[in-house]
Amino acid sequence: GAVVSQHPSWVICKSGTSVKIECRSLDFQATTMFWYRQFPKQSLMLMATSNEGSKATYEQGVEKDKFLINHASLTLSTLTVTSAHPEDSSFYICSARDPGTALNTEAFFGQGTRLTVV
Amino acid sequence: GENVEQHPSTLSVQEGDSAVIKCTYSDSASNYFPWYKQELGKRPQLIIDIRSNVGEKKDQRIAVTLNKTAKHFSLHITETQPEDSAVYFCAASRSGGGADGLTFGKGTHLIIQP
Repeated sequence: GAVVSQHPSWVICKSGTSVKIECRSLDFQATTMFWYRQFPKQSLMLMATSNEGSKATYEQGVEKDKFLINHASLTLSTLTVTSAHPEDSSFYICSARDPGTALNTEAFFGQGTRLTVV
Repeated sequence: GENVEQHPSTLSVQEGDSAVIKCTYSDSASNYFPWYKQELGKRPQLIIDIRSNVGEKKDQRIAVTLNKTAKHFSLHITETQPEDSAVYFCAASRSGGGADGLTFGKGTHLIIQP
């Protein structure tokens, strides 16, 4: 299947600083990527839909000024957690669908980024 | 928006027995229903999926059934093995050419007792 790579795998940052997470589609082009957040022992929650060349679409309750998304190319989306606080500590995972596959339904996930804010 | 309910939250079965996990969804426009297996600290892995024009799909020991009228779908694992122990998530989406994200259930922790 298609490969989605996420970087970094884990990051520790100080409260008040910003952290950037990258999501790359390695062998296909993705006009749309998705960002999820997963707290310990909980489910994945869709945060936002990242659209290449246009503004991201945020889910209800997700602060767009805090979670900045940039999708400047067909293979890269970035999520920047601005002014991070301990409550932002979570597992962040991106996904993308390969438009070249039949039916275009399977979502391929990055390996996730464990963010710890201290 | 879509709401996906998943039951049970924990399921313990003897090795070799079958396991069934059930999900319901609320959005009648959803037409794609994947199941994921997630091990601690790792990315979700797709184990099987079904589209709304199909009532059942099977892949070796794993099967999924879909009742579109009742808006529920189920995962069936037969002849369970220790390596099946993990957290399983159901999800729903309007496939829409890949434009829609997934709404996940809360997950089921499957424990296979030796």
